[in-house]
Amino acid sequence: GQNIDQPTEMTATEGAIVQINCTYQTSGFNGLFWYQQHAGEAPTFLSYNVLDGLEEKGRFSSFLSRSKGYSYLLLKELQMKDSASYLCAVVDNDYKLSFGAGTTVTVRA
Amino acid sequence: GAVVSQHPSWVICKSGTSVKIECRSLDFQATTMFWYRQFPKQSLMLMATSNEGSKATYEQGVEKDKFLINHASLTLSTLTVTSAHPEDSSFYICSALGTGFSYEQYFGPGTSLTVT
Repeated sequence: GQNIDQPTEMTATEGAIVQINCTYQTSGFNGLFWYQQHAGEAPTFLSYNVLDGLEEKGRFSSFLSRSKGYSYLLLKELQMKDSASYLCAVVDNDYKLSFGAGTTVTVRA
Repeated sequence: GAVVSQHPSWVICKSGTSVKIECRSLDFQATTMFWYRQFPKQSLMLMATSNEGSKATYEQGVEKDKFLINHASLTLSTLTVTSAHPEDSSFYICSALGTGFSYEQYFGPGTSLTVT
């Protein structure tokens, strides 16, 4: 089975940095995705990690440690538009995605 | 590139009726598509894997006779919710698996279903 945990909510101030952690225990691992989702919309792709280490892409970075079953998404220079739900998802050997419950990030002025 | 559309974007139907949702890959061929359901403030739950030209594979607890999936072409998969009930009201999202050696799924915009 798949077990993916991430915090339910996080709040931060505009311009700040927020780190969203994700831990996973899965049968089969072919990488970890981070998605952003606004209410009533489909998820949008942020990052994909399959090897250990940090991937940086503009204001967003994602880190993976396969031995620890751990990933984080780092959001820098937060903007109001970054208020959304962030989903951690693991892909298995059958190309299936298992999602965490999502972390709702609220950015305050 | 890699655009996936869904139709309709929202639908309201009466209890007992059936509703069909279409998922199309617009600029690529998708041999594999996925259907998810998302209840308010919850994450996406995989319902089934749809493979072109073969029967869909349903996740545990998903009734295959209630949620009919047809993947008749490389660009179209349909989900039909039969005999809909209010508890079927949800946000239904499809995705298409990218081509080549990629695990990335491209998501459609979702369909909001309300059963009254």
